[in-house]
Amino acid sequence: GNSVTQMEGPVTLSEEAFLTINCTYTATGYPSLFWYVQYPGEGLQLLLKATKADDKGSNKGFEATYRKETTSFHLEKGSVQVSDSAVYFCALSDRTGGSYIPTFGRGTSLIVHP
Amino acid sequence: NAGVTQTPKFQVLKTGQSMTLQCAQDMNHEYMSWYRQDPGMGLRLIHYSVGAGITDQGEVPNGYNVSRSTTEDFPLRLLSAAPSQTSVYFCASRLGTPNYEQYFGPGTRLTVT
Repeated sequence: GNSVTQMEGPVTLSEEAFLTINCTYTATGYPSLFWYVQYPGEGLQLLLKATKADDKGSNKGFEATYRKETTSFHLEKGSVQVSDSAVYFCALSDRTGGSYIPTFGRGTSLIVHP
Repeated sequence: NAGVTQTPKFQVLKTGQSMTLQCAQDMNHEYMSWYRQDPGMGLRLIHYSVGAGITDQGEVPNGYNVSRSTTEDFPLRLLSAAPSQTSVYFCASRLGTPNYEQYFGPGTRLTVT
């Protein structure tokens, strides 16, 4: 079956530091990959996505590249802000095999200090 | 568009009581789902639906019922609340094709005493 593994948190950084949150996956088909962000007290919202190998998703300074050879979709940002403090979820949806159920990682909490 | 709406935002129940969590979307999405979120457990899928009249169980369906009589609405019923159902519940929707993202509601925080 499908699975998503992301690094455990919390990740604690100072403002303007470089961020990487690792995400690797296993999938039976050819999945689309997503990063969602959850701010305190809110639901998840899409941060970025990529639907085929070597695609780069980007939004709000965050980037992630779909690496089929390493089955990875690591999230990066060059300079984090206090407002980026949130929980980040890596997820996949498989476009083959008829599965409708997305698979989520456990989430990684990011805390950014001024 | 209002997106995905959930009511109520907060609820306190006594053990054994029943209630319905409401979820509605106005984006004509075929796929809808319910998750619960507990500390350290991530998101766990309770039930999902791929269209009106079609529902199926997710990872943790026990103690919950769903129905999908319209495309817009996907209520979640707690039959006899238990303290183990204390959680934050999220409803989500998506176009039918899996390569589209999910849209999440703001959540319902449920406490069962």
